[in-house]
Amino acid sequence: DIQMTQSPSTLSASVGDRVTITCRASQMISTRLAWYQQKPGKAPKLLIYKASNLQSGVSSRFSGSGSGTEFTLTINSLQPDDSATYYCLNYNAYSFTFGGGTKVEIK
Amino acid sequence: EAQLVESGGGLVQPGGSLRLSCSASGSAFNFYEMDWVRQAPGKGLEWVAYAGGSYTRSVNGRFTISRDNATNSLYLQMSSLRADDTAVYYCVSHSLDIWGQGTLVTVSS
Repeated sequence: DIQMTQSPSTLSASVGDRVTITCRASQMISTRLAWYQQKPGKAPKLLIYKASNLQSGVSSRFSGSGSGTEFTLTINSLQPDDSATYYCLNYNAYSFTFGGGTKVEIK
Repeated sequence: EAQLVESGGGLVQPGGSLRLSCSASGSAFNFYEMDWVRQAPGKGLEWVAYAGGSYTRSVNGRFTISRDNATNSLYLQMSSLRADDTAVYYCVSHSLDIWGQGTLVTVSS
């Protein structure tokens, strides 16, 4: 089974900072990688699909990169509304595998 | 706008059964391309099942996913429930972008 390892598990940054979250796959997954944002009590919201494609309606401050086993989510000019937990997801034709999540806090 | 709505959650005793439903509106869904994902209280997201008939190891043999395209509905039949099945269960499109609001299942005596 593929394992998805996210780091860090928590991070604290200031408004205006650029933050980066990393997701590592235990085996090659090409670009079958998505990123989600989840706020307390809400369903996750898709930010990025196919590793680097911005979902319609999502702020361009979010960007994704990577392929193979190493992926990153970058949030430029961090805003208070970005306070949330972020998850990576590996998807294939018949299953999903989530990373453990990264909680982003605003200082 | 496409929307998914889950129902059927509640409190059930260990060893009991429960059936979750997911109904779709606003668009034609192919329920062959749907999943269930759960989230235990305070924990991360966990994939549970795909409508094509695959399951995460911890529920295989206890949970059954089914669909009824005629009524735009997806189901998750859960049996032999355990305390660690306690979670919010989400119905999700396999295209990644559409999630229901979730339904809470609590397994406790």
